[in-house]
Amino acid sequence: SSELAQDPAVSVALGQTVRITCQGDSLRNYYASWYQQKPGQAPVLVFYGENNRPSGIPDRFSGSTSGNTASLTITGAQAEDEADYYCNSRDNSGDHRVFGTGTKVTVL
Amino acid sequence: QVELQESGPGLVKPSETLSLTCTVSGDSISGYYWSWIRQPPGKGLEWIGYIYYGGRTDCNPSLKSRLTISLDRSKNLFSLKLISVTAADTAVYFCAREKVDTTMVWYFDLWGRGTLVTVSS
Repeated sequence: SSELAQDPAVSVALGQTVRITCQGDSLRNYYASWYQQKPGQAPVLVFYGENNRPSGIPDRFSGSTSGNTASLTITGAQAEDEADYYCNSRDNSGDHRVFGTGTKVTVL
Repeated sequence: QVELQESGPGLVKPSETLSLTCTVSGDSISGYYWSWIRQPPGKGLEWIGYIYYGGRTDCNPSLKSRLTISLDRSKNLFSLKLISVTAADTAVYFCAREKVDTTMVWYFDLWGRGTLVTVSS
């Protein structure tokens, strides 16, 4: 089982705000990166570190970290944001990469 | 424009070896970490391992005894070999480029499209 825990599923009304969380002890020492994956497609990096959004990613995606929890927030969710979201960071030893369990976001 | 392309057999028999290659186009393989990540059907992502362009490797402890990752600088590609496969190794296999920024944040910025490998007799 992953050392980074995510809620399996969340839903959000169109235009509203949703926060996706990722919990793990390693997050006290290492930043997370976040990936969006739509069905049949490769994951896409949407946010990483303290405050980094790749070029081309809408500014409605933002991230934060507090203690052992990293969060990805979508402010004003759009229909195209419906996807699976995964966090990634280090395992508890700090030696290896590990993905979170994934959160399915449904936009109502 | 940098692109990654996975290639290899789509079907492997149980107990045999799974071999995949990721060809990097549009940029040199030098200076980055190159990773393999897989996703069993209907499940989440699993980090397999990486190779640094200088040759250093690391991998998921659960796969360490069966896994080899190598790199060919002359052909600008890197490869994965997983021995003694079982049905549990059936997955979409992705290759990805990993970068680290000045604040020591690691992230996968480029991904291949992925290739489905089925382990079945």
